[in-house]
Amino acid sequence: QKEVEQNSGPLSVPEGAIASLNCTYSDRGSQSFFWYRQYSGKSPELIMFIYSNGDKEDGRFTAQLNKASQYVSLLIRDSQPSDSATYLCAVWYGQNFVFGPGTRLSVLP
Amino acid sequence: GAVVSQHPSRVICKSGTSVKIECRSLDFQATTMFWYRQFPKKSLMLMATSNEGSKATYEQGVEKDKFLINHASLTLSTLTVTSAHPEDSSFYICTLPVGTEAFFGQGTRLTVV
Repeated sequence: QKEVEQNSGPLSVPEGAIASLNCTYSDRGSQSFFWYRQYSGKSPELIMFIYSNGDKEDGRFTAQLNKASQYVSLLIRDSQPSDSATYLCAVWYGQNFVFGPGTRLSVLP
Repeated sequence: GAVVSQHPSRVICKSGTSVKIECRSLDFQATTMFWYRQFPKKSLMLMATSNEGSKATYEQGVEKDKFLINHASLTLSTLTVTSAHPEDSSFYICTLPVGTEAFFGQGTRLTVV
């Protein structure tokens, strides 16, 4: 069974700090990895996706992928209160997505 | 702009009635649509995959007769919750896969009273 795991949190960081969100997955056949942000009562919105090992940066966000360790992370630099949300890690297996349970991030002003 | 338009965003219905949720693909041909359900503070759970012009593929444990999926065109997929009960209250989201990306509908908050 394909599984995606995340710490549920809440993860609390002060404003301006770096928030680090982690995700592990069970199936080595995983092809693509996504980070979504979901505000309460809203649909998820895509932040970043990553296919290859290493780092991928987009503004304040950096995704890191290590396929050997089956690990993907999201770093948020200069965290803002508006970043407070649940962050979902999703893995594309070629036919559908499997989502992790999400990590709730709280950025304290 | 939105790639997938989902309606209604919120619905309250009486127990025993049926509710139809529509998802329209605005920019892409939707040969496939994923339907997810999300309980409070939980992740998205795949219910079924709808396929244009053919029967939907349901995940294990999902009642086919209760959650009717129709995907009759390349722009529209619908989920009908039949004979709704309070335990069906949830957040339902359709998702359009395009390549290896996913575009989400706005979600439907269903409350059965």
